[in-house]
Amino acid sequence: NAGVTQTPKFQVLKTGQSMTLQCAQDMNHEYMSWYRQDPGMGLRLIHYSVGAGITDQGEVPNGYNVSRSTTEDFPLRLLSAAPSQTSVYFCASSRQDEQFFGPGTRLTVL
Amino acid sequence: GENVEQHPSTLSVQEGDSAVIKCTYSDSASNYFPWYKQELGKRPQLIIDIRSNVGEKKDQRIAVTLNKTAKHFSLHITETQPEDSAVYFCAPRSGTYKYIFGTGTRLKVLA
Repeated sequence: NAGVTQTPKFQVLKTGQSMTLQCAQDMNHEYMSWYRQDPGMGLRLIHYSVGAGITDQGEVPNGYNVSRSTTEDFPLRLLSAAPSQTSVYFCASSRQDEQFFGPGTRLTVL
Repeated sequence: GENVEQHPSTLSVQEGDSAVIKCTYSDSASNYFPWYKQELGKRPQLIIDIRSNVGEKKDQRIAVTLNKTAKHFSLHITETQPEDSAVYFCAPRSGTYKYIFGTGTRLKVLA
């Protein structure tokens, strides 16, 4: 049981490039979400999903897209990376209340 | 939108003393109130939570109290130890699955 996994662990992009952050969970959790954490800050909700085929926007959705084609996977797409998107990205999943977090992806946009 | 505030932003205590962190939220429909601990470079981990129909919950040295009328809940850590040093976040839930995190409290336990 791997829990919540995220790839890559580190990524450097140039402004304007696109990429996908991967998130997967093997706990059959319905709920999944993406957060970003800037230095010295709390986690801000980007997008979340309450089940396969259902997604919704969080606090800071601009510049990011998500889809949920399976229960296990919830990828986050950066359409055109900007320096303001430099952050640590955490994926989380939950069945009811407790959220389980992945190890995070540290993204730098130059 | 929902507003979540945490106080204090930093807290230093002597080992063995108690620490209290308060979280204030704006959404009266919030129904689940967790506290997370995040060590440097690590992911957040749940340390205690409480649901809206309960006023207080305790787990060894850690407790959470909830005041739904005033819309705040607090984390209490007794007999603090150096390994309690970390950043603590509250994350009240609005609706089915929308957690809004506070800005965090950096706790330092001085040996």
